[in-house]
Amino acid sequence: AQKVTQAQTEISVVEKEDVTLDCVYETRDTTYYLFWYKQPPSGELVFLIRRNSFDEQNEISGRYSWNFQKSTSSFNFTITASQVVDSAVYFCALISSGGFKTIFGAGTRLFVKA
Amino acid sequence: DAGITQSPRHKVTETGTPVTLRCHQTENHRYMYWYRQDPGHGLRLIHYSYGVKDTDKGEVSDGYSVSRSKTEDFLLTLESATSSQTSVYFCAISDSGNTEAFFGQGTRLTVV
Repeated sequence: AQKVTQAQTEISVVEKEDVTLDCVYETRDTTYYLFWYKQPPSGELVFLIRRNSFDEQNEISGRYSWNFQKSTSSFNFTITASQVVDSAVYFCALISSGGFKTIFGAGTRLFVKA
Repeated sequence: DAGITQSPRHKVTETGTPVTLRCHQTENHRYMYWYRQDPGHGLRLIHYSYGVKDTDKGEVSDGYSVSRSKTEDFLLTLESATSSQTSVYFCAISDSGNTEAFFGQGTRLTVV
């Protein structure tokens, strides 16, 4: 069975704090793809990153960074020096080999206070 | 931004009536998806399509049907709406089965 768990339902931080959003996944496939999406208060879903199971290299994009660890089945997302505009719901997602069906976690709602 | 449009954006309907939601894309992407978003559940896949007239069920397909007669259009039909189908519905497209998806703006459906 495939599953994505985002144990943090809500996180509240003060602007400029660093924050890490956790994502733990389950799959029996050796080939799979992991994603993060952002849903700001306006409601649209925005793609942030895609990572395949053979690429464990961490990635940094501006204030965003992602830590992929196959040994712990985790794909965590860190926002450095958070800003109010980072306030959103963040979803972690998984596609296993064979494709088509994306399994989403329940999401983590991030509040960044000024 | 990916060219994907959902209509209507908001709808209120009565229990027992049929409802059709439309997703239209201008990207010529092969794959199209319908999700519903409910608090505490994230997004759950209802149905998806991997080509014209090629569709399959997702994890919450009961009470829903879909059709795709053209590459650009993917219709979701609630055959007889129930209050449990009150939700926000998102259409998504992707050019490959394992790449990122681009989402429409969402349709807020209320069944009273």
